[in-house]
Amino acid sequence: KNEVEQSPQNLTAQEGEFITINCSYSVGISALHWLQQHPGGGIVSLFMLSSGKKKHGRLIATINIQEKHSSLHITASHPRDSAVYICAVSGGRKTSYDKVIFGPGTSLSVIP
Amino acid sequence: DTGVSQDPRHKITKRGQNVTFRCDPISEHNRLYWYRQTLGQGPEFLTYFQNEAQLEKSRLLSDRFSAERPKGSFSTLEIQRTEQGDSAMYLCASQGGSYNEQFFGPGTRLTVL
Repeated sequence: KNEVEQSPQNLTAQEGEFITINCSYSVGISALHWLQQHPGGGIVSLFMLSSGKKKHGRLIATINIQEKHSSLHITASHPRDSAVYICAVSGGRKTSYDKVIFGPGTSLSVIP
Repeated sequence: DTGVSQDPRHKITKRGQNVTFRCDPISEHNRLYWYRQTLGQGPEFLTYFQNEAQLEKSRLLSDRFSAERPKGSFSTLEIQRTEQGDSAMYLCASQGGSYNEQFFGPGTRLTVL
């Protein structure tokens, strides 16, 4: 079993829909990251969080440390949100220093 | 733009050739990481530097791979005798200061023919 899992693997939404991507992890961590990767592009960090909730524009990330679960929400989705969203964790005992363990990613396609 | 740059952005090479990639982290960051991402997969850790010291290497980093950070600033990742299986996106990330977020570079996409 992977240490970081995401669901769904692929997601297609109509423009304007509310989108949720889920992440669960099995290791102890000090931080969880949500990253965005456009096709052929590099990775952009969206959020780093260790508790609670963060909001940036139309994006909201939440984490439940007890349940080892995080969600990324996109409100009023837009075609430019189409990308791969990657959940990653860092800082746990099974990782060295702040080595990041990445999830497999969720490929999001938002249709106009 | 995160402040982390990588060069080149794309590299196409023939099997058996050597390639070298460069990463310039954010200037005050003392930690630097290399990751590799193959098609359809999430990135995987390769190696980690604190200043100029290489403190950890993944078993993914075969003896054909070598990474350096000679002055604790920029880093290079060299692959000798490239194989088709080396085709991937190579990502660099830097970390430092009081806020421990890792900042990712745009990556170098390697294609081995």
